[in-house]
Amino acid sequence: GDSVTQMEGPVTLSEEAFLTINCTYTATGYPSLFWYVQYPGEGLQLLLKATKADDKGSNKGFEATYRKETTSFHLEKGSVQVSDSAVYFCALNYGGSQGNLIFGKGTKLSVKP
Amino acid sequence: GAGVSQSPSNKVTEKGKDVELRCDPISGHTALYWYRQSLGQGLEFLIYFQGNSAPDKSGLPSDRFSAERTGGSVSTLTIQRTQQEDSAVYLCASSRREGSYNEQFFGPGTRLTVL
Repeated sequence: GDSVTQMEGPVTLSEEAFLTINCTYTATGYPSLFWYVQYPGEGLQLLLKATKADDKGSNKGFEATYRKETTSFHLEKGSVQVSDSAVYFCALNYGGSQGNLIFGKGTKLSVKP
Repeated sequence: GAGVSQSPSNKVTEKGKDVELRCDPISGHTALYWYRQSLGQGLEFLIYFQGNSAPDKSGLPSDRFSAERTGGSVSTLTIQRTQQEDSAVYLCASSRREGSYNEQFFGPGTRLTVL
């Protein structure tokens, strides 16, 4: 079945460092790909998404490109802030009745001042 | 406008008791999803509703779990004869329509602890 694998955390960075969180997927079809973020004490929020190959999703300085050839959707940010400390989840889904999200295990990011 | 709400926010119960968890989706959202977040298993899909019908129940872990949705709005997830392994955070999400192009908005979750 379909699955998502993301790098294990926790990841600890200093403020203004470059961030990469790796995400790869196994899919039987052509899914849409997502990054969700869970800030401390808050619910899951959509961070960005890409619905087809070569699409780039971006939001709040974060970017991820849907790479079909490497089945990857790595999350990047050029300069992290303390406020980016959160748990990040990579996910995929399909259209119609297969709209349920399949999530990776999550990567906890801590940014130190 | 109001987001997805869930109640209770926390529930502590004894093994063997039944529990009901409630989800109020965003008004007008036709698709509703239940997920479970636990330390060992991460985020798992449980069940999906389109309107009042549940085309996909494949994620329910056992027949102790059931869910319903009435009036195309509120949904209730019921766990009968709770076990300790049911301890988790139960998340509800809704989206305007089903499918991959529609953002799912998540509620804050219900933290269930089975003693």
